[in-house]
Amino acid sequence: DARVTQTPRDKVTEMGQEVTMRCQPILGHNTVFWYRQTMMQGLELLAYFRNRAPLDDSGMPKDRFSAEMPDATLATLKIQPSEPRDSAVYFCASGLSSGSIKFYNEQFFGPGTRLTVL
Amino acid sequence: AQTVTQSQPEMSVQEAETVTLSCTYDTSESDYYLFWYKQPPSRQMILVIRQEAYKQQNATENRFSVNFQKAAKSFSLKISDSQLGDAAMYFCAYRSAISRGAQKLVFGQGTRLTINP
Repeated sequence: DARVTQTPRDKVTEMGQEVTMRCQPILGHNTVFWYRQTMMQGLELLAYFRNRAPLDDSGMPKDRFSAEMPDATLATLKIQPSEPRDSAVYFCASGLSSGSIKFYNEQFFGPGTRLTVL
Repeated sequence: AQTVTQSQPEMSVQEAETVTLSCTYDTSESDYYLFWYKQPPSRQMILVIRQEAYKQQNATENRFSVNFQKAAKSFSLKISDSQLGDAAMYFCAYRSAISRGAQKLVFGQGTRLTINP
């Protein structure tokens, strides 16, 4: 049963600390998305990759957030330094994409990482 | 930029009854996809149903069906024979099929559905 995995499931940290969230996409998927869910903003895209290359990170605060794919089986989202306003659930999703924009590919979501910054 | 609006923060329905969740969206594009996702208390986002804008026929998946009105930019979800397991947050989402950011999902604010036994 293929699924997206995320670690940790929950994270509590103090303001100023570095936070790293990890995502393992479904084997064979070549697109990875990071979404953030908050009560105020709802679900919003932070960044996404295709074939490990960042295609859109316009939703991500550049000064403290960074997203990478060290290899095809791992995506990371780092926050340094973390702030209380970063408290949210962070979802990773993966999918299979061809070069065609019209090619439909379902995004499969992981269980999310709930981050609490005190 | 595209926007998705869900005007019902909360809805409730009696078990076995039918409920309709509303969604409207704003776009200048002609080709796109629309989705309904379910998020139970476990947090997992689950795809319920999708609709391609170029298809006039409304999508159906078992007890779930949509009413897609392209001209009105409306995309409602009907759940028939509601079950306790349907209780969750439901999100309407949009995805372009023609723009550079085509892969991105744009979500509404969600509707919390309660099923009364």
